[in-house]
This record gives sequence, C-alpha cells and structure tokens, in this order.
Amino acid sequence: EAGVAQSPRYKIIEKRQSVAFWCNPISGHATLYWYQQILGQGPKLLIQFQNNGVVDDSQLPKDRFSAERLKGVDSTLKIQPAKLEDSAVYLCASSLGPGFYSGNTIYFGEGSWLTVV
Amino acid sequence: TQLLEQSPQFLSIQEGENLTVYCNSSSVFSSLQWYRQEPGEGPVLLVTVVTGGEVKKLKRLTFQFGDARKDSSLHITAAQPGDTGLYLCAGARYSGAGSYQLTFGKGTKLSVIP
Repeated sequence: EAGVAQSPRYKIIEKRQSVAFWCNPISGHATLYWYQQILGQGPKLLIQFQNNGVVDDSQLPKDRFSAERLKGVDSTLKIQPAKLEDSAVYLCASSLGPGFYSGNTIYFGEGSWLTVV
Repeated sequence: TQLLEQSPQFLSIQEGENLTVYCNSSSVFSSLQWYRQEPGEGPVLLVTVVTGGEVKKLKRLTFQFGDARKDSSLHITAAQPGDTGLYLCAGARYSGAGSYQLTFGKGTKLSVIP
C-alpha cells in the first residue's frame, strides 16, 4: 500500500516569498492533517480536513497560511508571505476517519522541509 | 506552557539497558498515543491507549496510561541500537463540533550505543 506522498521534499525561499506544498493521502482516507514541526519540538496541528471540509483550523495563521482539499483527496498548503519563523518541516498525515483510537491509525508522510532565509 | 511534558528530553544508554520515558500533563485526555520518529521521516504510530490504567505491550516496549488519563510512560527492556529515535507522546482532546485534536509533546531523543 502506498503511503502519504508529499512534495517538494526540500524548499529554500527568501522571506516574503510564497511557497506551496502538496500532499496525496493514502487512498480511501477521508481525514487529512497538516502539521508543522519546528526543530526540537513535536508536531503542531495546522489544519484538519474531513473529506473536503475543514474540521479544525484554529491554529492556522490565517493571515499568511492557507490550505485546501478541493476534491476531498489531494491537498495543498500555501504560505504567503513567508517569515523566518516559518522554517520547519510540514508534515501531512491521513487516516480513515477522525478520532484517535485503536484501529484508526494516522499515517504521516516524510514531510516537506522549508528553510526561509 | 507545554500541554504535554516529556522527560527526559535526551537519553543515551548502552545496549541491553532498560529505560523509562515519561509523558505528563495536567489535562485529561480521551486517548494517548506514542510515536517514534527517525531523522528525515514522519512519526510512526506505536500504540494508542484509551482506558485509565491500561497497559499495552509491543515486544520489548511497555506502554502505560495513568489511572486519571493525564500521564503515560513508555518502558523499553533490553534496549537495542534499532530503538534509537525520537519518541513522541500525543494526547487527544475533544475540540468541539465532533472533532478531536492531537497535541504532541516535544519528544525524548533516545540513543542506544552498541
């Protein structure tokens, strides 16, 4: 079974530029998450989708970050304009459904590494 | 203030030793998960505990959820170099509108020396 695919793997941009990350979840997974992991910290949820609807975006900095999952499958996360503190790994994850219980495993992609200079 | 405190932050031990990693909070969680993350990869789920006092074993790894569902521990018996990695605990709480949010600790970086 194919895992969660993310691209690009690495990106270096200057501050105030824009960047977009793409995620293809595991086939059949209705729930998709974007997490931000800053070096030395655990992942922090940015946004959670259930099919193509947003379930939780309470921690998404909406003045500069946006995300969409138009057809309920692939998703893109955009940052515009980027700041130095946005340097992090952006992890996409997916699961069959919402909730965190035995039997509903969340699978993470390898992440997209962003450096803002 | 970190919602989930993990200790120790770093741990370096010899192969064959035993170790325990702790995950503590003042909040109650509906479930708690442990992940292992290797450099350059995403976290991989090890276990989910749901019931207070629950103990789960995964080969040489033993996970325990506190009776009050606020804390958890991970014990590794006879550690091996392959156990090296970042161990993350994550607690799930209801965030409204039928949604649960998973909050991660900062992790414990384990190095097992051959």
